[in-house]
Amino acid sequence: GQQLNQSPQSMFIQEGEDVSMNCTSSSIFNTWLWYKQDPGEGPVLLIALYKAGELTSNGRLTAQFGITRKDSFLNISASIPSDVGIYFCAGENTGNQFYFGTGTSLTVIP
Amino acid sequence: DTAVSQTPKYLVTQMGNDKSIKCEQNLGHDTMYWYKQDSKKFLKIMFSYNNKELIINETVPNRFSPKSPDKAHLNLHINSLELGDSAVYFCASSQEGRYYGYTFGSGTRLTVV
Repeated sequence: GQQLNQSPQSMFIQEGEDVSMNCTSSSIFNTWLWYKQDPGEGPVLLIALYKAGELTSNGRLTAQFGITRKDSFLNISASIPSDVGIYFCAGENTGNQFYFGTGTSLTVIP
Repeated sequence: DTAVSQTPKYLVTQMGNDKSIKCEQNLGHDTMYWYKQDSKKFLKIMFSYNNKELIINETVPNRFSPKSPDKAHLNLHINSLELGDSAVYFCASSQEGRYYGYTFGSGTRLTVV
């Protein structure tokens, strides 16, 4: 399968700080999704992006579809303790099959 | 109402046993999937079913077999369990078309001892 690399692999930040993470691929994608996985739960969709350059927000979260269509970015502003979890990107380029990234683990220190 | 539900939540079993994990979705989605999440948290697709047809089958041992009695259910059967099968297994579903992504269940943690 196609490999999507996420960076950083893990983050430890203070409450109130902003967070940035990215996802890169060697392939072009038509759709990018960002998911969050809470401990002991399944991933939950946060944001969906459908065209190059698109910038979409969901509360304190903002994601962008890279111009090259090979990357995507997720920013979280003013982090809070409940932002803790693993963030996954997912890309789609062949019908309905999505490929998932390697994940970014976020820890927020109160 | 839970959109995608899996049972059991936890499963501990001995090597060599045969076990099943059930999944049901009430979203009316066309396609259902099984993912395996290993200790490094990588999500790897195992199977997907669309209209009762297997449309994805990655390099998964044939000890694993999906069974879909209808569009709302996709069960996972595992024969002759091995230590390396220990992982969290997620069921997911999606609607045809790229605008929806996947809806995941809460996972089944399988531990083989």
